[in-house]
Amino acid sequence: EPEVTQTPSHQVTQMGQEVILRCVPISNHLYFYWYRQILGQKVEFLVSFYNNEISEKSEIFDDQFSVERPDGSNFTLKIRSTKLEDSAMYFCASRLDRLYNEQFFGPGTRLTVL
Amino acid sequence: RKEVEQDPGPFNVPEGATVAFNCTYSNSASQSFFWYRQDCRKEPKLLMSVYSSGNEDGRFTAQLNRASQYISLLIRDSKLSDSATYLCVVMADRGSTLGRLYFGRGTQLTVWP
Repeated sequence: EPEVTQTPSHQVTQMGQEVILRCVPISNHLYFYWYRQILGQKVEFLVSFYNNEISEKSEIFDDQFSVERPDGSNFTLKIRSTKLEDSAMYFCASRLDRLYNEQFFGPGTRLTVL
Repeated sequence: RKEVEQDPGPFNVPEGATVAFNCTYSNSASQSFFWYRQDCRKEPKLLMSVYSSGNEDGRFTAQLNRASQYISLLIRDSKLSDSATYLCVVMADRGSTLGRLYFGRGTQLTVWP
């Protein structure tokens, strides 16, 4: 069964460093999302991406964040200058098309900012 | 403003018990409704979509009341493997909001032998 994959599974970084989280969505899916979950809190939407551009972003997704689909398979989330409060689990999700509501989630990347 | 609110839990029930979770949502423009399950430190996984007419999948029954903006999940004959956090999730899918999901904080269920 096709699945969303994410790398790395765990990333430890120093405050102020840049990190790139990688995702490979399911191959024929058209909509892509990033969510995050701070430990003990709810899953929160960051950004949605369709047709090679951002379709919506939340208030969390400030200028420090960017997304890219560089090669037609990978979907990346970059945090330019990490803060302690960026420590969280980051989930990538993909969705087939607008007719299908299910979003398939990857296993997540645990980001720890020291 | 909390988009999705759930029973705080936790629920601790014996095997074989029936347990019900409730959820309310604030945005009347919400289009689609789901229950996801999340195991500890894992990704959310879709348990079932929720339809206006109510729907059942084996031991799981979901109900939606659009007028009250209320969603429920009933688990019958609980199994040990049902132990997880159950997330009430709402999708807004109008105009520019292409499928953004709003999650509740989740209700933790522990089924004991």
